[in-house]
Amino acid sequence: DAGITQSPRHKVTETGTPVTLRCHQTENHRYMYWYRQDPGHGLRLIHYSYGVKDTDKGEVSDGYSVSRSKTEDFLLTLESATSSQTSVYFCAIRSGVGANYGYTFGSGTRLTVV
Amino acid sequence: AQKVTQAQTEISVVEKEDVTLDCVYETRDTTYYLFWYKQPPSGELVFLIRRNSFDEQNEISGRYSWNFQKSTSSFNFTITASQVVDSAVYFCALSEAQGSSNTGKLIFGQGTTLQVKP
Repeated sequence: DAGITQSPRHKVTETGTPVTLRCHQTENHRYMYWYRQDPGHGLRLIHYSYGVKDTDKGEVSDGYSVSRSKTEDFLLTLESATSSQTSVYFCAIRSGVGANYGYTFGSGTRLTVV
Repeated sequence: AQKVTQAQTEISVVEKEDVTLDCVYETRDTTYYLFWYKQPPSGELVFLIRRNSFDEQNEISGRYSWNFQKSTSSFNFTITASQVVDSAVYFCALSEAQGSSNTGKLIFGQGTTLQVKP
């Protein structure tokens, strides 16, 4: 199983402050993803990465930026947090081929913007 | 564009009842993967099953079974003899096929909250 950890697990921050969430993997998987989960919307893709310094936008990327300077770390930054960004954030990695193709998710980060 | 629809927002059943969770998808790809995930109250996402578009065989795993029908673009999930521990949010998801040029984005449905009462 691919090791994937998210930090922090919980965070409360004030409107207008910058926030960075970290996703760390212990295996050299190329593809990494950031999702947010909100009631009634399921999980929606924010940004994804297909290699070091290679990132692209998902369907809800406004207000978010990402960076991937090392294979193992994928950072999600809220430049100026807003209450609408209160959500649970999940990181995922894509791994395997053929019958082993799949996705592994981190435990999630619960972010509250007050 | 790819899309996954889970029309049932919430379902409530009594223990031992059978329950089916619906999933309808849209894609222009001829090769793709479908997934089901379970999210218990603890919050983590638990992988249940993956199906590729070339394999329409139904699958059974204990009390769980999946019915994949390309003709209706559906991938429904049935729990037989439901138990309280089955209470969770269930997500259906779709990804494009593997390949060097694709991004492997996983598109989720809105989720169905299943409550199983004792």
